[in-house]
Amino acid sequence: ETVMTQSPATLSVSPGERATLSCRASQSVFNSLAWYQRKPGQAPRLLIFSASTRATGIPARFSGSGSGTEFTLTINSLESEDFAVYFCQQYNNWPWTFGHGTQVEIK
Amino acid sequence: QVQLQQWGAGLLKPSETLSLTCAVYGESFSESYWSWIRQPPGKGLEWIGEIDHSGGTNYTSSLKSRVTISLDTSKNQFSLRLTSVTAADTALYYCARALPYCTSAGCRGGRFDPWGQGILVTVSS
Repeated sequence: ETVMTQSPATLSVSPGERATLSCRASQSVFNSLAWYQRKPGQAPRLLIFSASTRATGIPARFSGSGSGTEFTLTINSLESEDFAVYFCQQYNNWPWTFGHGTQVEIK
Repeated sequence: QVQLQQWGAGLLKPSETLSLTCAVYGESFSESYWSWIRQPPGKGLEWIGEIDHSGGTNYTSSLKSRVTISLDTSKNQFSLRLTSVTAADTALYYCARALPYCTSAGCRGGRFDPWGQGILVTVSS
């Protein structure tokens, strides 16, 4: 199965700064990559699909890039509500697999 | 707007059967795939399986012998049943809608949107 590796495990960022999160696939997933945000006690929320398409209602400060095996989620000008866990998921190679997540915390 | 609400027993003994239900609001079972995903403590998310509107299912190979996902279209609900649970099945369980992802090999659920709120299931004697 395709192993998804996210880095870093924890990212400390000050409000207003940019956060850059990485997701690497053990084999090509082309652009079949989604990013999710999860806050404590809440349902995960889809942010990005097809590597770079924002889901409905997602602010423009969230952007995704990459293809093949290397992907990046960028959060520009972090707001207080953005401090959460972010994880990636590939849906090109069966079975679909997830990364372990990156915790974005307040610096 | 589609919303999912899930429920079920949160504490089980080894060898018992896990049973969770997810109610779907705002959409009937149509072209989407209805999925279950779990996250054991300290581990990553694991896709368990999915069911489509016609009742067709796909399961992860490691759980295939113990898992059943079913649909109740009259109640707009889908359910997860996992038999013979052990401590290794302790996890946060989510239901989710998977939007179709189609290739030349056919269609399956791809990205997950939305998700249920999650329910912690603990297996302990």
